[in-house]
Amino acid sequence: EAGVAQSPRYKIIEKRQSVAFWCNPISGHATLYWYQQILGQGPKLLIQFQNNGVVDDSQLPKDRFSAERLKGVDSTLKIQPAKLEDSAVYLCASSLIAGVLFRANYEQYFGPGTRLTVT
Amino acid sequence: ELKVEQNPLFLSMQEGKNYTIYCNYSTTSDRLYWYRQDPGKSLESLFVLLSNGAVKQEGRLMASLDTKARLSTLHITAAVHDLSATYFCAVEGGADGLTFGKGTHLIIQP
Repeated sequence: EAGVAQSPRYKIIEKRQSVAFWCNPISGHATLYWYQQILGQGPKLLIQFQNNGVVDDSQLPKDRFSAERLKGVDSTLKIQPAKLEDSAVYLCASSLIAGVLFRANYEQYFGPGTRLTVT
Repeated sequence: ELKVEQNPLFLSMQEGKNYTIYCNYSTTSDRLYWYRQDPGKSLESLFVLLSNGAVKQEGRLMASLDTKARLSTLHITAAVHDLSATYFCAVEGGADGLTFGKGTHLIIQP
């Protein structure tokens, strides 16, 4: 079974530039997550999709970050404009399904991440 | 707001020794995860603990969950160098997203 795919793996940009990351979840996984992991910290949830709808984006800095999951499969995360403090690894994860009725299938599988450096 | 605290944050130990990593969380949850992360790599799932009193073991690692104390432990038995990594615990927060601890950076020396 193929895992979660992400691209690019590395990106270096200057502050105030824009950047976009792509994620392809495991086939059949309805739920997709984007996490931000700053060096030396644990991942922080940015946004969660169930199919193509947003379930939770309470920690997404919406003035500069946006994400979409058209057709309920692939997802893109965009930062515009980037700040120095956005330097981090952006992890995408997927799970078969989430929700109280389906908790047995909750386990999240993580992609390799995109390492972003903002200079 | 759900808070997850791990300790210690850094641990250097010798091969063959035993040690325990602790994970405390602030609000009720009955689902806790342990992940391993190698430098420059993504997260690898180690254990999923689903109920109070749950205990799972894989090789030299054993994880347990006490939901009443809001505490999970990851015990390392007779450590070997290959276990050197950063270990994260994560607790289910609102809407099924995970809240992670800061991680325990473990170095096992020969």
